[in-house]
Amino acid sequence: AQSVTQLDSHVSVSEGTPVLLRCNYSSSYSPSLFWYVQHPNKGLQLLLKYTSAATLVKGINGFEAEFKKSETSFHLTKPSAHMSDAAEYFCVVISYSSASKIIFGSGTRLSIRP
Amino acid sequence: DTGVSQDPRHKITKRGQNVTFRCDPISEHNRLYWYRQTLGQGPEFLTYFQNEAQLEKSRLLSDRFSAERPKGSFSTLEIQRTEQGDSAMYLCASSFEGRADFGQGTRLTVV
Repeated sequence: AQSVTQLDSHVSVSEGTPVLLRCNYSSSYSPSLFWYVQHPNKGLQLLLKYTSAATLVKGINGFEAEFKKSETSFHLTKPSAHMSDAAEYFCVVISYSSASKIIFGSGTRLSIRP
Repeated sequence: DTGVSQDPRHKITKRGQNVTFRCDPISEHNRLYWYRQTLGQGPEFLTYFQNEAQLEKSRLLSDRFSAERPKGSFSTLEIQRTEQGDSAMYLCASSFEGRADFGQGTRLTVV
């Protein structure tokens, strides 16, 4: 079985400060993990993905995430938040197995204070 | 490959009408998924196919909803006798061995 948990439903940071969005997963098989961002009234945009290569994954707009198998985590970080980062972020898992399907986390809304 | 494409991008329909959406997955992806997303919520799983076989349907998929993937390539999602509660973004995704991609969605508004 597989599941994904986003630990914070809402995160608020000041512009220019670091961002941390937390994601934990559960998977019986080697997982592929993704972070997607969704701005209001827009579609899902892929930020980055982990597919069993390097554990530190760099994505677009300065975001990165580290796959930690021992902690079953895939937290999303950014050193310095920008106002345009305000959006909903989804952690997504899919296992490398014939029985797997795409599983979404519940989402984290990121707010940026001026 | 141009990724997962969905058509139409927007649809406005009157209550009681039928609507059909289309999804074209990435060609080598054998799995295709449909999700529904309402305002302020995360995507909710509706159904998915492996090739042409529909493997799972959510309880959210009432008998007014039907999905097909006749040749294991594109898929259609039909909603009969639409209701205002059907207004949402309908997302399609495809995957193959741990690789996944999403379409931009079809936004349905029922008036």
